[in-house]
Amino acid sequence: DVQLVESGGGLVQPGGSLRLSCVASGFTFSSHVMNWVRQAPGKGLEWISYISSGSVSLYYAESVKGRFTISRDNGENSLYLQMNSLRAEDTAVYYCARGLGAGRQPVDYWGQGTLVTVSS
Amino acid sequence: EIVLTQSPGTLSLSPGERVTLSCRASQSVSSTYLAWYQQKPGQAPRLLIYGASSRATGIPDRFSGSGSGTDFTLTISRLEPEDFAVYYCQQYGSSPFTFGPGTKVDSK
Repeated sequence: DVQLVESGGGLVQPGGSLRLSCVASGFTFSSHVMNWVRQAPGKGLEWISYISSGSVSLYYAESVKGRFTISRDNGENSLYLQMNSLRAEDTAVYYCARGLGAGRQPVDYWGQGTLVTVSS
Repeated sequence: EIVLTQSPGTLSLSPGERVTLSCRASQSVSSTYLAWYQQKPGQAPRLLIYGASSRATGIPDRFSGSGSGTDFTLTISRLEPEDFAVYYCQQYGSSPFTFGPGTKVDSK
C-alpha cells in the first residue's frame, strides 16, 4: 500500500524555520513527482510546491517563493520542505502529496498532514 | 497565475439528487490538466477526476467530469450519503498549480 508519512511540524515563532520531512513507501518513489499542499485552519487547499522525479524541475507558489525550498532524496524515499522566515499566515496543515506519475500530474495520494503553527 | 472560480459556494441537497459543480478558469487550462478532489472533515483530499474527465482508480461511475478550455464541470449522477463533502478543482498544467476555493455539498 502507498504510504506517505510527514513529520517535522510544530510550533515556531515568526521569523523562525522548520524542516518538514515525508517518508514514502509502497511504490517506486523515484518514478513520481511530489508536491507539498497546505490547508490553513477552516480554509481551502493551497498548492505550494512541486518537484519533478529527478529534481530537475522545481516550482513554488508566490506566497512561499524565496522562503521555502523543496527537495527529495530518491535513495531514501524522502521528500523535504525547508521553511524559513515563517509568518503567521503560514500556519496550516502541510500535506505531502504524490503525483500520479512523472510530469504534470494530479495528486493521487496524500499523507495525513503535519500541523505547522507560527505564533509568538 | 490561473485563478479558478467554483460555483456555487454551497449546495444543500438530498440523497438521490443530481449534482452539477462548476469550475471556471481565468485562462485556458493547457491540455485539459484539470482535476477534481473530494475532502471530508478531518481527512485528506481524495482524487476523483483527472484530465478533466478520467475517473481515478476506485471512483464510482456516478462521478463524471467534463469540459475544456476555461469551463469544467463535475457531475454526481445520484448523490449518496457518503458524498456530502467539499469538492475542489485544481489545474496542474501551468505553475502555480492552483486550486479553486471549493464547493461544499451538504445535507438539506
